[in-house]
Amino acid sequence: QPVLTQPTSLSASPGASARFTCTLRSGINVGTYRIYWYQQKPGSLPRYLLRYKSDSDKQQGSGVPSRFSGSKDASTNAGLLLISGLQSEDEADYYCAIWYSSTWVFGGGTKLTVL
Amino acid sequence: QLQLQESGPGLVKPSETLSLTCTVSGGSISSSSYYWGWIRQPPGKGLEWIGSIYYSGSTYYNPSLKSRVTISVDTSKNQFSLKLSSVTAADTAVYYCANGPDAFDIWGQGTMVTVSS
Repeated sequence: QPVLTQPTSLSASPGASARFTCTLRSGINVGTYRIYWYQQKPGSLPRYLLRYKSDSDKQQGSGVPSRFSGSKDASTNAGLLLISGLQSEDEADYYCAIWYSSTWVFGGGTKLTVL
Repeated sequence: QLQLQESGPGLVKPSETLSLTCTVSGGSISSSSYYWGWIRQPPGKGLEWIGSIYYSGSTYYNPSLKSRVTISVDTSKNQFSLKLSSVTAADTAVYYCANGPDAFDIWGQGTMVTVSS
């Protein structure tokens, strides 16, 4: 079972909100980790969006709008990326990552379609 | 503003060693504020961390690649490099260098490396 699991795809309408999940493998407690989120638009390099561990330990990437936010769902052991007020330009792949056991681990990514 | 630029051969033969360099501009690679890393992305697939080197010289590698990877820093040239030995077609990917004090904040543009005879 992978360390991080992300749904392969997500679709939402312009102006709506999108909720991305990044589920940690059983036995790895989401509460312990900073969850990092990256956005990669087609043909472009990845962009760091934000990290979230708790409301007192979070960071927004440089120039990243506040409509991108992080959270956690302890009940499902998942990190969350929330995008409000979706725009067509948000269409991209979104990757989560954690620093786990002295290694960086990326999730497989979720492709967001805005339609 | 820190900038990173990858360079190296775009074509490598199977069983040979892939060598890439990342040139840092706008800042010092010796800064204690940063770590430096390599990430790759096979065509149509997701991101895979290869390894990182810290200002202290400590290195960390992806366990699945560890036996084949070496990352080093050349402070005199303000560069860091990646060597991946015994490559196969599975190593064909866009290779990115990146850095940050925490997350991978700054990324190079990436360089495509194809493994083929």
